[in-house]
Amino acid sequence: DAKTTQPNSMESNEEEPVHLPCNHSTISGTDYIHWYRQLPSQGPEYVIHGLTSNVNNRMASLAIAEDRKSSTLILHRATLRDAAVYYCILPGAGSYQLTFGKGTKLSVIP
Amino acid sequence: GAVVSQHPSWVICKSGTSVKIECRSLDFQATTMFWYRQFPKQSLMLMATSNEGSKATYEQGVEKDKFLINHASLTLSTLTVTSAHPEDSSFYICSTSEEGTSRTQFFGPGTRLTVL
Repeated sequence: DAKTTQPNSMESNEEEPVHLPCNHSTISGTDYIHWYRQLPSQGPEYVIHGLTSNVNNRMASLAIAEDRKSSTLILHRATLRDAAVYYCILPGAGSYQLTFGKGTKLSVIP
Repeated sequence: GAVVSQHPSWVICKSGTSVKIECRSLDFQATTMFWYRQFPKQSLMLMATSNEGSKATYEQGVEKDKFLINHASLTLSTLTVTSAHPEDSSFYICSTSEEGTSRTQFFGPGTRLTVL
């Protein structure tokens, strides 16, 4: 898997937008960008994925830089239930395996 | 996305006993499932890839004779921790992968194993 770099932790106030960055400068042309999150004592949860274009779903938006070397997960309105560790992962081509880094621990302040 | 369940959600066992954890894909036929382990305050580590009807592929450092994986059907994979020791206490998580180029994975809720 291509290496990703994320901040260890971030804080957000409740009901404000949150932008979680991820750098992946060694990304290849066929690598999808995946985001998962893990709430305490639960299995990871799929959030969103994209290849080149920005993506939106009911949970979040994914903004992908034009050179694809970085991306940003956007939570439009943080709630207390969004407090989790967020992982940015690039599954390697030809492999279904995911390699989890340390992710970004998001704290949401009431 | 696919819905994945695990049973049990938590288990406490004595050292030296064996524990079986089930992973079910409820609405999706999964030819491939993955087993992860997560120690406290650490990230998920892939243990093995479970293939329906064939032997599992284990990651380096994971003992295949200790962590027995059976994937006998398209909806069920089991992980048996044999002769469990306290150092095997961990959070075990399974996942299934969506076919296609995106390789999205869907995870079970995890099983907390405590070995006394």
